[in-house]
This record gives sequence, C-alpha cells and structure tokens, in this order.
Amino acid sequence: QVQLVQSGAEMKKPGASVKVSCKASGYTFSTYGISWVRQAPGQGLEWMGWINVYNGNTNYAQKLQGRLTMTTDTSTRTAYMELRSLRSDDTAVYYCAKDYYGSGSYYSHWGQGTLVTVSS
Amino acid sequence: DIQMTQSPSSVSASVGDRVTITCRASQGISNWLAWYQQKPGKAPKLLIYAASSLQSGVPSRFSGSGSGTDFTLTISSLQTEDFATYYCQQGDSFPRTFGQGTKVE
Repeated sequence: QVQLVQSGAEMKKPGASVKVSCKASGYTFSTYGISWVRQAPGQGLEWMGWINVYNGNTNYAQKLQGRLTMTTDTSTRTAYMELRSLRSDDTAVYYCAKDYYGSGSYYSHWGQGTLVTVSS
Repeated sequence: DIQMTQSPSSVSASVGDRVTITCRASQGISNWLAWYQQKPGKAPKLLIYAASSLQSGVPSRFSGSGSGTDFTLTISSLQTEDFATYYCQQGDSFPRTFGQGTKVE
C-alpha cells in the first residue's frame, strides 16, 4: 500500500534552516509528483509547492520563492523540503502529499506531518 | 492566484442530517476541484476529485457537484465519524489554493 513517512519534529531558531524528508513506498516513485502543504496552528491548509519527481521541475508559492527548495532522491525514494531563513510564522505542521494524477492537481496520499517550531 | 471561498465557516449538525458545503472559485476552474476531510491531529484525506468523482474507499454518502466557479460537497446522512473540517482545493492552475475550511460540529 502507498505510504509516505516523514521525518520527526524539529525546533529551530529564527534565521535557521530546516530540511524535512518524506520517504515513499508502495508505488512507482518517479511516476507521481510530490507536493508540500503546511498548516499553522489552528489555521487552514497552505500549498507550498510541487516537484515533478521524474524530471525535477518545481513550482513554488510566490511568497516562499527564494527560501524554499524541493528535491528528490529517486535511489532512496525520498522527497525533501528545505526552508531557509525561518521566521516565527513558519511554525506549522508540514505535510508531503503524493499526486493523484501526475500533475499535482490533487493529493491522494499524505504523510503523517512534521511539526516545525521556530522560536528563539 | 485563484481564491477559493467556502461557506459556511462552520455548521452545527446532528447525526442523520444532510449537510451541504459550498466552495466558490474566483475564476472558472472547469471541474478541477477536490474535497478533503481533516480530523484533529491528522493529515487531510481525499474524498472527492474532479468535482464529483468519489475517491476509492470513501462512503457513498459523500458526493460532490459543480463546475466552473461553484461547487458543492454534500453529506447525505451525517455519521459520527464525519465530524471534521472540510477543505476544497483547486487543481486547475499553479499556485494550488485551498478554501479556508468548514468545520462540521
């Protein structure tokens, strides 16, 4: 069965960087893209970006451009999300999600979430 | 960016009730719309994609309709396990965007 397993919770200081991993199993990794969505405490879902696992093409939310990098390692079937210059309002649960189709339109499976806390 | 507006923000309902949630897109998105259910502390779960297609394993009491700018999620007979927050999401263009959520309580 399809599974996405994310790395554990992180606590970071303002200005630092965080890199969250998402290990996939149960499907052909390179066929489907991976998106990242975050959720601040008590808030709604915010789309961060999408990576085409097959060719590495990315599309990022404009507000995160310059601070966000999404990558994949097909040898280990793992996707990564790195966010730099962290601020307190980056405190959130970060989810990876697998495309339903290949184009990042809908998300059929989600990771369990990774809590990133940014605090001095 | 395409803005997605859900209404109501919350709805009070009882087991057995019919519940309807609406989602409006700021511009036409054809049928590129999904609905997700999220329970506290859990990841979202895909219920409906392509506006009206039921995801495998999702009970048939859930249904979706609409196209263009106006969409609806209906729960025909609310069950205990359906108390949750529901989000719509457009898959028509980047950046993808979500509605603000509707809490069914």
